[in-house]
Amino acid sequence: GDSVTQMEGPVTLSEEAFLTINCTYTATGYPSLFWYVQYPGEGLQLLLKATKADDKGSNKGFEATYRKETTSFHLEKGSVQVSDSAVYFCALKGGDSGYSTLTFGKGTMLLVSP
Amino acid sequence: DAGVIQSPRHEVTEMGQEVTLRCKPISGHDYLFWYRQTMMRGLELLIYFNNNVPIDDSGMPEDRFSAKMPNASFSTLKIQPSEPRDSAVYFCASRFSFGRNEQFFGPGTRLTVL
Repeated sequence: GDSVTQMEGPVTLSEEAFLTINCTYTATGYPSLFWYVQYPGEGLQLLLKATKADDKGSNKGFEATYRKETTSFHLEKGSVQVSDSAVYFCALKGGDSGYSTLTFGKGTMLLVSP
Repeated sequence: DAGVIQSPRHEVTEMGQEVTLRCKPISGHDYLFWYRQTMMRGLELLIYFNNNVPIDDSGMPEDRFSAKMPNASFSTLKIQPSEPRDSAVYFCASRFSFGRNEQFFGPGTRLTVL
């Protein structure tokens, strides 16, 4: 079945540092890929997405490129802020059926210090 | 739009008691999902509905858990009897079949079973 593997956290960075959170996936066909973010005490919210190979999703300074050859969708940001501290989830949605659901990774906590 | 609404936000109960969690999806969305989040197991999909009909309940941990969706604007997740290991954050999410396909999460209900 489909699966998502992301790096374990926490990832601890100083403000303005470069961020990479690795995500790889296993899926049949051509899945859509997502990054969700969960701020403390809140639900998950969509950060960015990519629906086909070589697509780049971007939002709020975060980027991720859909790499089919390496089955990866790594999240990057050039300069993190304290307000980026949150848990980040990589997810995929496989197949074309409306019944297909999101498969989530275990999440990676990011802690940014001033 | 108010987003996905969940109630209560926090619930503390004693072992053996019945617990009912409530969810109002975003108006017009035809998919509704119930998730459970714990430190140990991460984010788990419990059950989801399409047009008020349960499609897949294979994630429901045991018969003590049940979910209903009597109409397009309301769903419940019931645990009877509750046990301490049910303590978790329960999220409801909804999405529309077509278009961007983005899944929207509610703020969650933090359940503590003593």
